[in-house]
Amino acid sequence: EMQLLESGGDLVQPGESLRLSCAASGFTFSGYAMSWVRQAPGKGLEWVSAMTDNGRSTYYADSVKGRFTISRDNSKNTLYLQMNSLRAEDTATYYCVKGSSGSRPYYFDNWGQGTLVTVSS
Amino acid sequence: ESVLTQSPGTLSLSPGERATLTCRASQSVSGSYIAWYQQQPGQAPRLLIYGASSRATGIPDRFSGSGSGTDFTLTISRLEPEDFAVYYCHQYGGSPRTFGQGTKVEIK
Repeated sequence: EMQLLESGGDLVQPGESLRLSCAASGFTFSGYAMSWVRQAPGKGLEWVSAMTDNGRSTYYADSVKGRFTISRDNSKNTLYLQMNSLRAEDTATYYCVKGSSGSRPYYFDNWGQGTLVTVSS
Repeated sequence: ESVLTQSPGTLSLSPGERATLTCRASQSVSGSYIAWYQQQPGQAPRLLIYGASSRATGIPDRFSGSGSGTDFTLTISRLEPEDFAVYYCHQYGGSPRTFGQGTKVEIK
């Protein structure tokens, strides 16, 4: 059974850093693009970042560009999101999402349960 | 950036009724690269439809998608109790990929 398990969410202060991890199982991780999508409390979905299957190409929303870095370790079946210079508006549940193929265009066919990041002083 | 506008914001219906949700894009969506997701309270979204009209694995045939260009529709032919949820459209043909703001289908 396919599974995406996020971890690393926490309460941090503005300006601090955090690294999220997503452990994947039940499918050939190296064959699919992966993304992070977030959802602020009571709000809609916002795409954050994506990486192709081989890790050669990365993409970011303007709202996080220069502050967040996506990466993956295909040998460990794990996706990461390094978040620096966190702001209050980054407060959200962060979902690890599997793409339907290795590169664009792809839709999101499986979602993790999410990990909550709270940025507050 | 292609902005997706969903309507209505909230749809109040009874079980057994038909639900029609719309998603309008600010620019034509290439390849009809539109997906629809369902989100229950406290849960992650679940894929329903991709490519504007293809049902995902395990999705009941009461869910159907249609449309092209800038106008897309998700139809639930007869609402079951488990269908009351929030629905999001998503375009994945342009950059950046974007989501609609959601339509809540609630019990009348």
